[in-house]
Amino acid sequence: QSALTQPASVSGSPGQSITISCTGTSSDVGGYNYVSWYQQHPGKAPKLMIYEVSNRPSGISNRFSGSKSGNTASLTISGLQAEDEADYYCSSYTSSSTYMLFGGGTKLTVL
Amino acid sequence: QVQLQESGPGLVKPSETLSLTCTVSGGSIRSNYWTWLRQPLGKGLEWIAYIYYSRSTNYNPSLKSRVSTSIDTSKNHLSLKLTYVTAADTAVYYCARGRSTIGAPDAFDIWGQGTMVTVSS
Repeated sequence: QSALTQPASVSGSPGQSITISCTGTSSDVGGYNYVSWYQQHPGKAPKLMIYEVSNRPSGISNRFSGSKSGNTASLTISGLQAEDEADYYCSSYTSSSTYMLFGGGTKLTVL
Repeated sequence: QVQLQESGPGLVKPSETLSLTCTVSGGSIRSNYWTWLRQPLGKGLEWIAYIYYSRSTNYNPSLKSRVSTSIDTSKNHLSLKLTYVTAADTAVYYCARGRSTIGAPDAFDIWGQGTMVTVSS
């Protein structure tokens, strides 16, 4: 069982928006603004999409946005495109000795 | 542009030591945090260890007794050793560059392609 909780799957049609949640505790997601999101296509390495809750690295489309409320962080993808179909993982800094936690991943299907 | 490339044996016998290298090209290893992560096939990500060029390191408590990492600045690469491996250590192993504002990597912005390691006799 992963330390951060994500839905196993979400789906949406091209052009729609979807949101993936990532729930932790006050010791991680809720306590720090160090939540990141990664996109992973099959057989490929993860790719950083969002860092520090809502910041996009250079080159990442503004269709990807991040937010946080309490112990839950969210990744929203607007204007869904076929190439967005992938697995998405969240991570968070934690005050525990583990230092960083990951979610179990969410498979996004573009219908 | 910084690129990372993992290398090492794809097959390791149980109870032996897994040794991997990550070569950093296009940039210096003397800055940033460098991190090892792994991902069992079909499963999620797990952080293993990180190291800063000044030699400070941190290890996942669940692996701490078996893992070590080091940097060779002359070769611009970092290394990972995991001892007494079992089938549970079978995974794709990644090295990644960590961005940091907290004295530790808070996100990983550049990743190697990963290398599959299977533990089997």
